This record gives sequence, C-alpha cells and structure tokens, in this order.
Amino acid sequence: GAVVSQHPSRVICKSGTSVKIECRSLDFQATTMFWYRQFPKKSLMLMATSNEGSKATYEQGVEKDKFLINHASLTLSTLTVTSAHPEDSSFYICSATAGGRQETQYFGPGTRLLVL
Amino acid sequence: DQQVKQNSPSLSVQEGRISILNCDYTNSMFDYFLWYKKYPAEGPTFLISISSIKDKNEDGRFTVFLNKSAKHLSLHIVPSQPGDSAVYFCAALTTGANSKLTFGKGITLSVRP
Repeated sequence: GAVVSQHPSRVICKSGTSVKIECRSLDFQATTMFWYRQFPKKSLMLMATSNEGSKATYEQGVEKDKFLINHASLTLSTLTVTSAHPEDSSFYICSATAGGRQETQYFGPGTRLLVL
Repeated sequence: DQQVKQNSPSLSVQEGRISILNCDYTNSMFDYFLWYKKYPAEGPTFLISISSIKDKNEDGRFTVFLNKSAKHLSLHIVPSQPGDSAVYFCAALTTGANSKLTFGKGITLSVRP
C-alpha cells in the first residue's frame, strides 16, 4: 500500500516556541492531505484539509493562525504549531490521498507533541 | 457531539473465536463507513468499508454488517488471531462537498493465544 511518513515522531518543546511537523507521501502524489489531532481516549479529530498549491481549509474551532499548514508540493505538507502551549500537547497525525477521495486516505504514523 | 460512537473501550477474545466490534452513529447523512486498524506507533490502516446502500461486505476473515434503521454497524473477525490485536477505529463519511471522515474513539482488541 501507499506509504506516508511523518517527522518527527516525537517532539518536546518549551511553551512559546514553534514546532514544525512534516508529512510526506513517499510513493504517490498526494493532491490532498489532512491533519488530525487525537487527545488521549478521544477520537481523531480533523483539523484541516490542504490541497496542493492552495490554502488549507480549517475545521470549525481550529485557529488557522496557530496551526499553519503549507502544502507546497504533491508530496509534502507541513503543520507548524506556533507559540505552542501545554494544551497543544497531543498526537498529530496526517493522511494523504491521491485522488482527493476521503475513503482512500493513507495515514502517517503520527507525531507526539509535548509542550512543557 | 459524538456522531460516531464506539462505546466499548476494549474487547478480549480467545484465539480462533469470533471478535465482534460495534459502532453506532447518529448522523443519518453518512453514506460510507470504514474500519481502520492501528498498531502502536503506527498510523491507522484501512481495513474494510461498506456503502450505506449495502448491509454486508466481506473480505476474508473480516465482515462488516450495517443496520441503517438502528444506525449500527459491526465488524466481525473470524477466526481471530493474535496478530489482530490492535486498536480498531470506526469512521463514517458523507460524500460530496465538504466531506470528511468522522472517527469513533476506537476499541482495543486483544486476542489471547
């Protein structure tokens, strides 16, 4: 199956700093990438949808100025958590799809963010 | 508002027996349902799906049943194997504009040898 990677897998940062998470589709061109967040014992919650070369579409309640998403190429999307706070600590996971079909998403392994 | 609910957090079954994982939903507009399997430190991987116009879809040891009137679906794994031990997420989808996957909380399946 298709492979999606995320980097880093785990990051610890100080409050107030920014953290960038990369999501790459390794063997296919991803026209659409999705960013999810999962809190302990909770569902994966969609944060935003990004299409290559255009602005991301954010879900209600997700601050676009805090969670900056860039999808500059067909194989790379980045999520930058700006001015991170302890409440941003979570598991961030991306997915990618080649044809934009939601039911054919391939997920990355996730990034565990801990903000001290 | 949890639109996709997996009310049991965990399930333990004996190897060789049937595993039945349940999922309920509240949004009657969902028209596609999916099950994902997730191992620790890995992303979810697609397992099986079913369209809302069907009531059953089978793929090897995995069968998904859909009861639209009850807004309930279930994943049957038979026979269960120790390698099936993982977290299973139920997800639902509305197709068309602004479609997105809505996930349940997941259920941890443990298959005992």
